[in-house]
Amino acid sequence: AQKITQTQPGMFVQEKEAVTLDCTYDTSDPSYGLFWYKQPSSGEMIFLIYQGSYDQQNATEGRYSLNFQKARKSANLVISASQLGDSAMYFCAMREGSGGYQKVTFGIGTKLQVIP
Amino acid sequence: DGGITQSPKYLFRKEGQNVTLSCEQNLNHDAMYWYRQDPGQGLRLIYYSQIVNDFQKGDIAEGYSVSREKKESFPLTVTSAQKNPTAFYLCASSRGTESYEQYFGPGTRLTVT
Repeated sequence: AQKITQTQPGMFVQEKEAVTLDCTYDTSDPSYGLFWYKQPSSGEMIFLIYQGSYDQQNATEGRYSLNFQKARKSANLVISASQLGDSAMYFCAMREGSGGYQKVTFGIGTKLQVIP
Repeated sequence: DGGITQSPKYLFRKEGQNVTLSCEQNLNHDAMYWYRQDPGQGLRLIYYSQIVNDFQKGDIAEGYSVSREKKESFPLTVTSAQKNPTAFYLCASSRGTESYEQYFGPGTRLTVT
C-alpha cells in the first residue's frame, strides 16, 4: 500500500479563496509526523507545516493549517486567502518511528494553480 | 545566511561518465540526505548520513555513491552503473535524523545523453 496518497494531480483556486489539498497516509507506527512542503517552479522544497501524531490540536502556520483526522488517516493542507505566489507543487510527507533514523516518505504531489 | 547550496543548477553529461553533484550546508546540521525526483513522482531517498564518516543506503542507492568526510559536505556521485540518471537531485539536511524538519537545497538537474 502507498504510504502517502495525494489523489489530486492538479487543483485550481481563485485568488483570495481558500483551498484544501488532500493527503491520506498509511502507517502502523503509533509515533509519526506529517509534513507539507511547497515546491515552486524553481525546484527548491520549502517546508510549510508539521503535525505530530500525538499533537492534540491541528497545526497552523500563518495562512496554512493542517486538518489532521487521525482516525481517517488524513492530513489535508488548507491554504486560506490564496495568493498568486501560492502556485506551486505541494507535497505531503510522513516520517515514521521514534529514535534513530526516521524515514520520510513523500507523496507524488498536487499542482496548485491560483487564478487571478 | 545559513542554508544549503547545490551546484551547478544544471549539469549535462555523456552516458558512461561518472558525475559528482555537490551539496554544502552551513546550518551545522548533523544529518544530510540525497533525494531524486522524477516527473510525476515524489522524492525518493538515495542516501542519508547521520554523522560524519557514516552514511546509509536509501531506497534507490544502486548506481550512486556518497562520502561524508566533513560535516558541511555530502557529495553524490552518479556512476555509469545508474541506468536512468537523468533526474532532478535534491540535497537536504536536518539537525538530526530525529528532527522533523528537513531543509532543502535548490537542486541540480542532471541530464545524461
